[in-house]
Amino acid sequence: EVQLLESGGGLVQPGGSLRLSCAASGFSFSSYAMNWVRQAPGKGLEWVSGISGSGVSTYYADSVKGRFTISRDNSKNTLYVQMKSLRAEDTAVYYCAKVSRYGECMDVWGKGTTVTVSS
Amino acid sequence: DIVMTQTPDSLAVSLGERATINCKSSQSVLYNSNNKNYLAWYQQKPGQAPNLLIYWASTRESGVPDRFSGSGSGTDFTLTISSLQAEDVAVYYCQQYYSSPYTFGQGTRLEIK
Repeated sequence: EVQLLESGGGLVQPGGSLRLSCAASGFSFSSYAMNWVRQAPGKGLEWVSGISGSGVSTYYADSVKGRFTISRDNSKNTLYVQMKSLRAEDTAVYYCAKVSRYGECMDVWGKGTTVTVSS
Repeated sequence: DIVMTQTPDSLAVSLGERATINCKSSQSVLYNSNNKNYLAWYQQKPGQAPNLLIYWASTRESGVPDRFSGSGSGTDFTLTISSLQAEDVAVYYCQQYYSSPYTFGQGTRLEIK
């Protein structure tokens, strides 16, 4: 069964840092690009960042560029996002998602991990 | 950035009736080299992660009931549920994957009338 399991969320103070992880199983992880998507409380979906299967190419939303770094360890089947200089507006559920064979739409999603930025 | 705008923001439809959700992109998401529209639809039920329904604007993902259909090209797209079931209550999002950032519409909340 194809599964994604996020971890690493929690409460962090403004200006702080956090690293989220996403453990993948049930598919050839290195063959697929991966994305992070977030959802602020009561709001819609926001694409945050993406990374190619090899990890060579990375992409970011303007709202997180320079503060978030996406990476992957294909030997561990794990996706990461390092978040720094966190702001209140980064408070959200963060989902990792597998990119489909049909382009950058996402056919498998994790259940999400919650990040709360507050003093 | 490509802006995705959905209409309406919310919709109430009777069981067994048709539901229609529209999505408009600020620029074309049709890739001329392969004649494919880089437009997807997702369903998000309360407390759950999103679920891919439609890709290439009109192709149903495996396992998605055939009452769900997608249409449109270029900048204007539609998701149709032909006969609404109780389990279809959800928020629906369109997403363009033509160019980064891969933006979503604001969502349409679908309820039972």
